[in-house]
Amino acid sequence: EAGVTQSPTHLIKTRGQQATLRCSPISGHTSVYWYQQALGLGLQFLLWYDEGEERNRGNFPPRFSGRQFPNYSSELNVNALELEDSALYLCASSRQGLSNQPQHFGDGTRLSIL
Amino acid sequence: AQSVTQPDIHITVSEGASLELRCNYSYGATPYLFWYVQSPGQGLQLLLKYFSGDTLVQGIKGFEAEFKRSQSSFNLRKPSVHWSDAAEYFCAVGDGGATNKLIFGTGTLLAVQP
Repeated sequence: EAGVTQSPTHLIKTRGQQATLRCSPISGHTSVYWYQQALGLGLQFLLWYDEGEERNRGNFPPRFSGRQFPNYSSELNVNALELEDSALYLCASSRQGLSNQPQHFGDGTRLSIL
Repeated sequence: AQSVTQPDIHITVSEGASLELRCNYSYGATPYLFWYVQSPGQGLQLLLKYFSGDTLVQGIKGFEAEFKRSQSSFNLRKPSVHWSDAAEYFCAVGDGGATNKLIFGTGTLLAVQP
């Protein structure tokens, strides 16, 4: 069974640009989650999508947005990039949008802002 | 508010020695608890989970964890550490209901001496 796949592995942008990160969940999983792992800030919840709908978002500004496609894959978009957005962005998926379903993570996209 | 505390930022053990990583949580109801491991440059791998039932749970790679409600703890243990166990370990609590996010501790970095 293929795990959660994320692309690209690395992404280098400059301030003010826009970034798009992609995630394919494990087959059969309908929920996708995005987390940010920034140096000194730990792992922070960003977004949760289930069945194509945004179900919850963390304490991040609106320039962080995303969507989930009919095949359950997901995109995370970050507009007007700032230096502080440099981080590892992790995608996770679970079988259903229930708290008793464990989340399985991909290897992440390393976003560097110059 | 829900929170997770991992008191040890960095632990060094000798190969073959036993290991215990501490985790304390704050959560109003019966928590869903998880341990994840992150190797350098990689995503998070699920080691084990506790939802209910037997308070001693077995995971992958020879790890186990014990849920102690009276102490609000979920410590991770391994009887004999291997050099390949060197990584960062994260404890997390599942924030069920409408949010469904994972709340992570700050992590414990494990170094293994030969």
